[in-house]
Amino acid sequence: KNQVEQSPQSLIILEGKNCTLQCNYTVSPFSNLRWYKQDTGRGPVSLTIMTFSENTKSNGRYTATLDADTKQSSLHITASQLSDSASYICVVHRDYIPTFGRGTSLIVHP
Amino acid sequence: GAGVSQSPSNKVTEKGKDVELRCDPISGHTALYWYRQRLGQGLEFLIYFQGNSAPDKSGLPSDRFSAERTGESVSTLTIQRTQQEDSAVYLCASSKRIAGGNNEQFFGPGTRLTVL
Repeated sequence: KNQVEQSPQSLIILEGKNCTLQCNYTVSPFSNLRWYKQDTGRGPVSLTIMTFSENTKSNGRYTATLDADTKQSSLHITASQLSDSASYICVVHRDYIPTFGRGTSLIVHP
Repeated sequence: GAGVSQSPSNKVTEKGKDVELRCDPISGHTALYWYRQRLGQGLEFLIYFQGNSAPDKSGLPSDRFSAERTGESVSTLTIQRTQQEDSAVYLCASSKRIAGGNNEQFFGPGTRLTVL
């Protein structure tokens, strides 16, 4: 069964701290993996895309990693800001069909 | 428009009624997706349109759900005889079709459906 599991389910950190979110998947065959940020009441917005051959990719304070052998990905957020408070969703594609994780709810406190 | 728009933003209906949700994709985007997001759950894929090809309806949960799209423009998702379990946020996304599926989806704000 094609599944995407994310951990932790929720996370609370202080402003300025770093954090790492995890994503494990069983989706096959694999096309790509995306991390999305979803603010409350809004649609998800793409942060990064990882293809099979990529191990790491950065987008500002966001760094995603991918281990295609173990089928694991992580999203590292550096120097967190209050505006980082959101749900972070891992999505794995089989061609055009996406499988979504349930997301990690991140709260950044001042 | 600049992004994907959906209407209505909120819809409250009575059990057994039919509802129609609308999605206006980004101009030039040939691919369009509908998703359902129940409270506290991940997004569920419902249906995918790509240009004038036959849609992939494999995610529709029952025959009460249907969707249409005219060419590469507006799409409507219709839910007949709504049930309380249909209560959710329905999200639409559009994208340019790129081989291999490496296409970023741009999401609308969603329609929050509440079935009483």
